[in-house]
Amino acid sequence: AQSVAQPEDQVNVAEGNPLTVKCTYSVSGNPYLFWYVQYPNRGLQFLLKYITGDNLVKGSYGFEAEFNKSQTSFHLKKPSALVSDSALYFCAVRDGGYSSASKIIFGSGTRLSIRP
Amino acid sequence: GAGVSQSPSNKVTEKGKDVELRCDPISGHTALYWYRQSLGQGLEFLIYFQGNSAPDKSGLPSDRFSAERTGGSVSTLTIQRTQQEDSAVYLCASSSLPTSGGPIQYFGPGTRLTVL
Repeated sequence: AQSVAQPEDQVNVAEGNPLTVKCTYSVSGNPYLFWYVQYPNRGLQFLLKYITGDNLVKGSYGFEAEFNKSQTSFHLKKPSALVSDSALYFCAVRDGGYSSASKIIFGSGTRLSIRP
Repeated sequence: GAGVSQSPSNKVTEKGKDVELRCDPISGHTALYWYRQSLGQGLEFLIYFQGNSAPDKSGLPSDRFSAERTGGSVSTLTIQRTQQEDSAVYLCASSSLPTSGGPIQYFGPGTRLTVL
C-alpha cells in the first residue's frame, strides 16, 4: 500500500533564509509525487509535481522539490523564504502505474512559519 | 471558470442525526475524491471515484459513511448517526484523467461539519 510521511509538524525559518520541508514516501511502483499548500482560510492549491525526468522540479511561488529515489524522498525547498510563505504544506503520492484505480493520498502536513 | 464547489459551507448538527454533503466537480473531470481534515490534522483519504469504475472506499472510517456519484458528476457524502468525532472539514477534489503524468487535483472550499 502506498504511504507518505511528513516527519515535521512545524518548521520555523527566518525570512530570507533557505527552507526545507521534508517528505518521504512508499509505493509499489514508480511514484507520482505532489506538493500542495493551504493558506489560512483558503483552499488547497497545487504547487508542483514529479512524474518522471529531472529530479529537481520547479513550481509556483519560487518553490522547488528534489526527487531522490534511493532515499524515497521528495523534499520541498525554497532558497529564500518570505513571510507570505507561512502556510500548511502537504506532500501527496500516487502509485505511478497508469491504473486509474490508483488513489492519491496525503501526508499529515507541515506548518511552515516564517518570522520577519 | 467554475471550480469545485461544495455545499453547505457549514453544517451544525446534533449527535445521531444524518447529514449529506454535496460536491460539484469541475465539468469534465472524471475523478472525484473525498478527504477529511480534522482540526490541526492532515488530510485523511475517504473515497475515490474514477469514471465508471467501482469506487475505492478503503478510507471510509465506518459503515456510517457512504458516498455516491450520480451520472459521473455530482457526488454526495452521507454520514449516518453522526458522532462528535465526525466533526471536521470535509474536502472534495476533482481531477481529469491525464494523457500523461499525474493528475492535478482541484479542491473545493470544504464543508465544515460540527456535531454537537
